[in-house]
Amino acid sequence: GENVEQHPSTLSVQEGDSAVIKCTYSDSASNYFPWYKQELGKRPQLIIDIRSNVGEKKDQRIAVTLNKTAKHFSLHITETQPEDSAVYFCAASPGYKLSFGAGTTVTVRA
Amino acid sequence: GAGVSQSPSNKVTEKGKDVELRCDPISGHTALYWYRQSLGQGLEFLIYFQGNSAPDKSGLPSDRFSAERTGGSVSTLTIQRTQQEDSAVYLCASSAGGRQGKEELFFGEGSRLTVL
Repeated sequence: GENVEQHPSTLSVQEGDSAVIKCTYSDSASNYFPWYKQELGKRPQLIIDIRSNVGEKKDQRIAVTLNKTAKHFSLHITETQPEDSAVYFCAASPGYKLSFGAGTTVTVRA
Repeated sequence: GAGVSQSPSNKVTEKGKDVELRCDPISGHTALYWYRQSLGQGLEFLIYFQGNSAPDKSGLPSDRFSAERTGGSVSTLTIQRTQQEDSAVYLCASSAGGRQGKEELFFGEGSRLTVL
């Protein structure tokens, strides 16, 4: 099955700086890569996703990049704000079964 | 309802007891998932229901775990003879089901299970 590894496990950034989270996957058949954000005590929510037919996608301050050859994808958050503090999960799927990374706890320091 | 609803939100039980966790998906969503989230871990896939198809139970960790979905809507996850390692947050998610999983999952707030 698919195995997703996520780094780093924790990330502390100064407000206004950028944050980057990286994930690798094992199954070359995976073609859907979503990112979920989970605020403390809340449910995970989709923030952005990318499919294998594109290499990059942006939505305001967040962007995802995908390198299918190397089997890795990344989340970039620019101009971080306190409300970006949360746990972020990457995931990969060749079909309906999403495999999640272990999560990155992002703390934005004021 | 407005979103995925799960109950109970918290459950404390003694080792060896059975527990049932309930999930009420978004109306009209044909796909339903159960995931388990242990402290400091990612979301571990447990089981997937899609419409009237046979469920994918490949993620269930042991035969003490079972799940059903009645009438294509409400789902119940049952854990028999609970063990301490079953302590986790059990998350249910639903999706519209039209894109074979490549679509947004809407999660419930989870059921936190503590086995003493």
